[in-house]
Amino acid sequence: GAGVSQSPSNKVTEKGKDVELRCDPISGHTALYWYRQRLGQGLEFLIYFQGNSAPDKSGLPSDRFSAERTGESVSTLTIQRTQQEDSAVYLCASSLELAMTGELFFGEGSRLTVL
Amino acid sequence: LAKTTQPISMDSYEGQEVNITCSHNNIATNDYITWYQQFPSQGPRFIIQGYKTKVTNEVASLFIPADRKSSTLSLPRVSLSDTAVYYCLVGPDMLTFGGGTRLMVKP
Repeated sequence: GAGVSQSPSNKVTEKGKDVELRCDPISGHTALYWYRQRLGQGLEFLIYFQGNSAPDKSGLPSDRFSAERTGESVSTLTIQRTQQEDSAVYLCASSLELAMTGELFFGEGSRLTVL
Repeated sequence: LAKTTQPISMDSYEGQEVNITCSHNNIATNDYITWYQQFPSQGPRFIIQGYKTKVTNEVASLFIPADRKSSTLSLPRVSLSDTAVYYCLVGPDMLTFGGGTRLMVKP
């Protein structure tokens, strides 16, 4: 596709359930990023991938959060045993290389609501 | 990482020029300055990037003084559709977004 694609666009789940959020980056982009944005707040950096590797996972909020990337393409953000405070929009972005210069291209986000 | 400070919100009227200033006192030699725009229910969108002096594109201008400790995003003749949150990022990695500046353009 022409841009970064995220699915699902909306997800409502019950507390304690696991959720998977998917990101399809722009073809050829080696770097991929996940952010979380709570209502009315700025973007909170979670993790980035250079190729299939995530050099620094310290931005993940807790051990309930994990992410992987395969084939230097699709990435999945998994949240286990969801809590109400996990409710937010999860944004994915990609860039040609790790974004020292140039731009990040963002998807529309996946809105997660935990009841 | 260079920390940025920008106003939480600004109001303007259609047709006016809007200047949003970002402070980044501990910017490093190899840091670039990048601005993003975010509309409600959308991901941020790259607006402009610069290293020093002035950069202009079809959307905005970016003014960077010689000491590079601040930068100003200038939006000429804003319209209602420019109502958005504007983020200033500084660094070699561009990973950290702050709270941004909420610009409200009124009729």
